[in-house]
Amino acid sequence: GQSLEQPSEVTAVEGAIVQINCTYQTSGFYGLSWYQQHDGGAPTFLSYNGLDGLEETGRFSSFLSRSDSYGYLLLQELQMKDSASYFCASNQGGKLIFGQGTELSVKP
Amino acid sequence: EAQVTQNPRYLITVTGKKLTVTCSQNMNHEYMSWYRQDPGLGLRQIYYSMNVEVTDKGDVPEGYKVSRKEKRNFPLILESPSPNQTSLYFCASSPGWGANTGELFFGEGSRLTVL
Repeated sequence: GQSLEQPSEVTAVEGAIVQINCTYQTSGFYGLSWYQQHDGGAPTFLSYNGLDGLEETGRFSSFLSRSDSYGYLLLQELQMKDSASYFCASNQGGKLIFGQGTELSVKP
Repeated sequence: EAQVTQNPRYLITVTGKKLTVTCSQNMNHEYMSWYRQDPGLGLRQIYYSMNVEVTDKGDVPEGYKVSRKEKRNFPLILESPSPNQTSLYFCASSPGWGANTGELFFGEGSRLTVL
Protein backbone atom coordinates (compact mmCIF):
# COMPACT_ATOMS: atom_id res chain seq x y z
CA GLY A 1 0.00 0.00 0.00
CA GLN A 2 0.93 3.64 -0.19
CA SER A 3 1.52 5.38 3.11
CA LEU A 4 3.47 8.06 4.90
CA GLU A 5 4.43 7.70 8.56
CA GLN A 6 5.12 10.59 10.89
CA PRO A 7 5.00 10.92 14.68
CA SER A 8 1.60 11.87 16.02
CA GLU A 9 2.86 14.37 18.60
CA VAL A 10 6.01 16.35 19.36
CA THR A 11 6.59 18.77 22.21
CA ALA A 12 9.39 21.34 22.39
CA VAL A 13 10.19 24.58 24.18
CA GLU A 14 10.32 28.05 22.76
CA GLY A 15 13.64 28.83 21.07
CA ALA A 16 14.54 25.19 20.56
CA ILE A 17 14.97 23.18 17.36
CA VAL A 18 12.63 20.34 16.47
CA GLN A 19 12.73 17.76 13.70
CA ILE A 20 9.62 16.03 12.36
CA ASN A 21 10.39 12.86 10.44
CA CYS A 22 8.43 11.33 7.59
CA THR A 23 8.99 7.93 6.04
CA TYR A 24 7.07 6.93 2.96
CA GLN A 25 6.11 3.91 0.94
CA THR A 26 4.64 5.13 -2.31
CA SER A 27 4.88 4.36 -5.99
CA GLY A 28 5.53 6.93 -8.69
CA PHE A 29 7.17 9.28 -6.23
CA TYR A 30 7.99 12.80 -7.48
CA GLY A 31 8.76 14.65 -4.29
CA LEU A 32 7.82 15.45 -0.70
CA SER A 33 5.89 18.49 0.48
CA TRP A 34 5.28 19.89 3.95
CA TYR A 35 2.22 21.76 5.15
CA GLN A 36 1.25 23.54 8.36
CA GLN A 37 -2.29 23.64 9.70
CA HIS A 38 -3.59 25.63 12.66
CA ASP A 39 -6.73 24.36 14.43
CA GLY A 40 -8.55 22.94 11.40
CA GLY A 41 -7.85 25.97 9.24
CA ALA A 42 -6.54 25.92 5.70
CA PRO A 43 -3.26 24.02 5.38
CA THR A 44 -0.45 26.27 4.18
CA PHE A 45 2.52 25.20 2.13
CA LEU A 46 5.92 25.24 3.83
CA SER A 47 8.43 23.44 1.66
CA TYR A 48 8.99 20.97 -1.18
CA ASN A 49 11.83 18.59 -1.97
CA GLY A 50 11.89 17.26 -5.51
CA LEU A 51 15.54 16.26 -5.25
CA ASP A 52 17.64 14.77 -2.47
CA GLY A 53 19.12 17.23 -0.05
CA LEU A 54 18.22 20.18 2.08
CA GLU A 55 15.89 23.05 1.23
CA GLU A 56 15.99 26.07 3.52
CA THR A 57 13.28 28.70 3.87
CA GLY A 58 13.87 31.03 6.78
CA ARG A 59 13.43 29.17 10.06
CA PHE A 60 12.15 26.08 8.27
CA SER A 61 14.25 23.52 6.41
CA SER A 62 13.27 20.27 4.77
CA PHE A 63 15.35 17.29 3.77
CA LEU A 64 14.78 14.36 1.46
CA SER A 65 16.62 11.10 0.91
CA ARG A 66 15.03 9.05 -1.87
CA SER A 67 17.29 6.07 -1.24
CA ASP A 68 16.02 5.89 2.35
CA SER A 69 12.41 6.88 1.51
CA TYR A 70 12.77 9.43 4.26
CA GLY A 71 12.41 13.11 4.80
CA TYR A 72 12.18 15.57 7.64
CA LEU A 73 11.08 19.08 8.47
CA LEU A 74 13.36 21.09 10.74
CA LEU A 75 11.99 24.04 12.64
CA GLN A 76 14.49 26.36 14.28
CA GLU A 77 14.09 29.10 16.88
CA LEU A 78 10.68 27.78 17.79
CA GLN A 79 7.97 30.30 18.57
CA MET A 80 4.63 29.80 20.29
CA LYS A 81 2.87 30.46 16.99
CA ASP A 82 4.57 27.36 15.54
CA SER A 83 2.19 25.22 17.62
CA ALA A 84 0.19 23.52 14.88
CA SER A 85 -0.18 20.29 12.94
CA TYR A 86 2.43 19.48 10.31
CA PHE A 87 1.80 17.15 7.39
CA CYS A 88 4.18 15.57 4.95
CA ALA A 89 2.73 14.73 1.54
CA SER A 90 3.96 12.59 -1.29
CA ASN A 91 3.60 14.05 -4.78
CA GLN A 92 2.75 11.31 -7.23
CA GLY A 93 2.10 13.29 -10.38
CA GLY A 94 -1.44 14.43 -9.71
CA LYS A 95 -2.16 12.33 -6.68
CA LEU A 96 -1.13 13.68 -3.34
CA ILE A 97 -0.89 11.31 -0.38
CA PHE A 98 -0.73 12.93 3.06
CA GLY A 99 0.68 11.61 6.29
CA GLN A 100 -1.61 11.62 9.30
CA GLY A 101 0.03 14.72 10.71
CA THR A 102 2.26 15.63 13.64
CA GLU A 103 0.86 17.89 16.31
CA LEU A 104 3.59 20.19 17.55
CA SER A 105 3.19 21.83 20.93
CA VAL A 106 5.59 24.63 21.76
CA LYS A 107 5.90 25.36 25.50
CA PRO A 108 7.20 28.58 27.04
CA GLU B 1 -6.38 38.86 -3.81
CA ALA B 2 -5.30 35.42 -4.95
CA GLN B 3 -7.52 32.86 -3.30
CA VAL B 4 -9.45 29.62 -3.37
CA THR B 5 -13.05 30.12 -2.29
CA GLN B 6 -15.33 27.37 -1.03
CA ASN B 7 -19.04 27.53 -0.28
CA PRO B 8 -20.75 26.80 1.95
CA ARG B 9 -18.30 26.99 4.84
CA TYR B 10 -20.69 25.16 7.15
CA LEU B 11 -23.62 22.92 6.30
CA ILE B 12 -25.86 20.56 8.19
CA THR B 13 -27.99 18.34 5.98
CA VAL B 14 -29.90 15.08 6.07
CA THR B 15 -29.16 11.71 4.54
CA GLY B 16 -29.99 11.50 0.85
CA LYS B 17 -30.42 15.20 0.14
CA LYS B 18 -28.16 16.08 -2.77
CA LEU B 19 -25.70 18.87 -2.17
CA THR B 20 -22.92 20.66 -3.98
CA VAL B 21 -19.88 22.31 -2.44
CA THR B 22 -18.51 24.91 -4.81
CA CYS B 23 -14.83 25.74 -5.26
CA SER B 24 -13.48 28.62 -7.28
CA GLN B 25 -9.93 29.91 -7.76
CA ASN B 26 -8.84 33.19 -9.30
CA MET B 27 -5.20 32.30 -9.99
CA ASN B 28 -5.67 30.66 -13.40
CA HIS B 29 -4.41 27.39 -11.95
CA GLU B 30 -4.61 24.26 -14.09
CA TYR B 31 -4.68 21.76 -11.23
CA MET B 32 -7.49 21.48 -8.67
CA SER B 33 -8.34 18.83 -6.12
CA TRP B 34 -10.64 17.95 -3.23
CA TYR B 35 -9.71 16.47 0.15
CA ARG B 36 -11.56 15.37 3.22
CA GLN B 37 -10.05 15.55 6.66
CA ASP B 38 -11.13 13.32 9.51
CA PRO B 39 -9.60 13.04 12.99
CA GLY B 40 -6.62 10.70 13.01
CA LEU B 41 -6.75 10.15 9.25
CA GLY B 42 -5.10 13.28 7.93
CA LEU B 43 -6.10 14.63 4.53
CA ARG B 44 -7.35 12.16 1.97
CA GLN B 45 -7.73 13.02 -1.69
CA ILE B 46 -11.20 12.55 -3.18
CA TYR B 47 -10.77 13.70 -6.78
CA TYR B 48 -8.35 15.80 -8.73
CA SER B 49 -8.28 17.57 -12.09
CA MET B 50 -5.16 18.27 -14.12
CA ASN B 51 -7.03 20.61 -16.46
CA VAL B 52 -10.46 21.46 -17.88
CA GLU B 53 -12.54 18.38 -18.68
CA VAL B 54 -9.90 16.08 -17.10
CA THR B 55 -10.73 14.52 -13.73
CA ASP B 56 -9.34 11.50 -11.89
CA LYS B 57 -10.14 9.59 -8.74
CA GLY B 58 -8.10 10.06 -5.63
CA ASP B 59 -8.01 7.65 -2.73
CA VAL B 60 -11.60 8.02 -1.48
CA PRO B 61 -13.88 8.86 -4.44
CA GLU B 62 -16.87 6.70 -3.46
CA GLY B 63 -20.04 8.71 -2.98
CA TYR B 64 -18.68 11.83 -4.68
CA LYS B 65 -18.74 13.35 -8.14
CA VAL B 66 -16.88 16.29 -9.61
CA SER B 67 -16.85 18.27 -12.82
CA ARG B 68 -14.39 20.65 -14.42
CA LYS B 69 -16.22 22.52 -17.13
CA GLU B 70 -14.16 25.66 -16.74
CA LYS B 71 -10.73 26.34 -15.36
CA ARG B 72 -11.68 28.32 -12.29
CA ASN B 73 -14.42 26.07 -10.87
CA PHE B 74 -14.31 22.55 -9.47
CA PRO B 75 -17.53 21.68 -7.61
CA LEU B 76 -17.85 18.62 -5.38
CA ILE B 77 -21.20 16.87 -5.63
CA LEU B 78 -22.67 14.51 -3.06
CA GLU B 79 -25.59 12.87 -4.87
CA SER B 80 -26.94 11.05 -1.82
CA PRO B 81 -25.04 12.08 1.30
CA SER B 82 -24.64 9.62 4.13
CA PRO B 83 -23.49 10.17 7.73
CA ASN B 84 -20.03 8.73 6.94
CA GLN B 85 -19.49 11.73 4.68
CA THR B 86 -19.59 14.04 7.68
CA SER B 87 -16.19 15.66 7.46
CA LEU B 88 -14.13 18.77 6.87
CA TYR B 89 -13.61 19.29 3.15
CA PHE B 90 -10.84 21.25 1.49
CA CYS B 91 -10.46 22.37 -2.09
CA ALA B 92 -6.98 23.19 -3.37
CA SER B 93 -5.33 24.40 -6.55
CA SER B 94 -1.86 24.55 -8.05
CA PRO B 95 -0.39 26.25 -11.13
CA GLY B 96 0.12 22.87 -12.76
CA TRP B 97 1.62 19.59 -11.82
CA GLY B 98 4.23 19.99 -14.51
CA ALA B 99 5.64 22.83 -12.44
CA ASN B 100 6.06 20.15 -9.82
CA THR B 101 6.73 22.41 -6.90
CA GLY B 102 4.30 20.47 -4.78
CA GLU B 103 2.70 23.73 -3.62
CA LEU B 104 -1.04 23.60 -3.19
CA PHE B 105 -3.19 26.61 -2.31
CA PHE B 106 -6.05 25.56 -0.04
CA GLY B 107 -9.48 27.01 0.50
CA GLU B 108 -10.72 27.73 4.03
CA GLY B 109 -12.62 24.47 4.28
CA SER B 110 -16.25 23.39 4.36
CA ARG B 111 -17.50 21.61 7.45
CA LEU B 112 -20.28 19.23 6.46
CA THR B 113 -22.54 17.33 8.83
CA VAL B 114 -24.91 14.69 7.48
CA LEU B 115 -27.64 13.60 9.90
